[in-house]
This record gives sequence, C-alpha cells and structure tokens, in this order.
Amino acid sequence: AQKVTQAQTEISVVEKEDVTLDCVYETRDTTYYLFWYKQPPSGELVFLIRRNSFDEQNEISGRYSWNFQKSTSSFNFTITASQVVDSAVYFCALSERGKLIFGQGTELSVKP
Amino acid sequence: DGGITQSPKYLFRKEGQNVTLSCEQNLNHDAMYWYRQDPGQGLRLIYYSQIVNDFQKGDIAEGYSVSREKKESFPLTVTSAQKNPTAFYLCASSRFSPRLAGAYPQETQYFGPGTRLLVL
Repeated sequence: AQKVTQAQTEISVVEKEDVTLDCVYETRDTTYYLFWYKQPPSGELVFLIRRNSFDEQNEISGRYSWNFQKSTSSFNFTITASQVVDSAVYFCALSERGKLIFGQGTELSVKP
Repeated sequence: DGGITQSPKYLFRKEGQNVTLSCEQNLNHDAMYWYRQDPGQGLRLIYYSQIVNDFQKGDIAEGYSVSREKKESFPLTVTSAQKNPTAFYLCASSRFSPRLAGAYPQETQYFGPGTRLLVL
C-alpha cells in the first residue's frame, strides 16, 4: 500500500533558524507525483510544490527548497531563515491513481 | 478571481439530521474532491469526481453522499449514518488528465477554506 510518513509531529525553532521537514514515502508505481502543502491556522491548504518521479532536480523558491531523492524515497522541505509567518502545519502528499495520500503533517512553530 | 468557495464556515448538526456542505469552484476544473481532517491528523479522502455525473468512493465514504450535477458544484451530505461527523471538511479541485500508457497523471489539487462541522 502507498504510504507517506512525516515522522516529525512538531518542530519549534527561533526566527531566522533554518528548518528541514522530512517526508518519506512508499509506492510501487514507477510514475508518481509528490506534493507539499501548507496549512496556516485559518485552515485552508496552500499548494507549495509538485514534483514528478522523473525529475530529481532540487528546487529552490525564495527561502524554500526541496530535496527529492528516489534512492531513499524522500522528499524533504527546507525553510531557510524562518519567519513567524512560516508557522503552520505542513503536509507532504503522494499521488495514487488519481488521488492523493497525505502524511500526518508536521506542525512548525517559529518563535520571534 | 478564480477559486473555490465552501459554505458555511461552521455547521452544527443535531442527532439524526442530514446536513449538506457546499463546494463551488470557478476554475473550470473537471475533478473535485472531498476530504475529512480530524485534529492532529492528515486528510482522508471521502469522495471524488473526475467528471460531471460521475463520482467514486474514497477511503472513508460510509455515512456520506455526494452529487455532481454541474461542473462547478460538488455538494457533500453528511447523513445520520455517520456516527462521528465532527471534523474539518475540505473541498478541492484540479484539472483532470486521463491515464496515459499505464501512468496516472496527478494534477495539482487546490483547496477551499473548509467547513467545520460540530454535533450538538
């Protein structure tokens, strides 16, 4: 069965620290997609990134970067110089035949 | 502005009552989804629809029903058979890409603001 594991339930950092959120997945599909979403206290999920299994290039978008490694089935997310506005729950998700399987989420708290 | 709207923001259900959650999108997306989120947990798929007048059960469909009469709308009914309905309900939509050469393309799902359902 497909599965997504976010082992870190809660992370607390001080502003300007770098922080990495881990995501490990299991799938038998050769073609699949991985996503990261942010859920601020308001509740709405905000899309951050989508990657397909053929594209292992790391990606950087401003303070955000993603490290995709098929060899370890991981798709980790790093926030550089964290800010209080980054406080949220972050979800990693894996595609499964037209649907998404979500991890349990990592709650990030950035303190001033 | 294009987006997904859900109403109401808060909904209260009495014992034995059916309630309907609204989800509307103007993104011209073919696919729509309903998820349930319980405190401290990830999202679980209730129902999804890839085309008008067609929908499929997700992982936790029991006690729920849906309809897809219009492309823009995908209402979810929480029936009295759902014994533990208190949760946060999220609707999402995406473009639909058909299966190709054995692969299932997954377009990005965009989410609405959610409806919080509470039982009186």
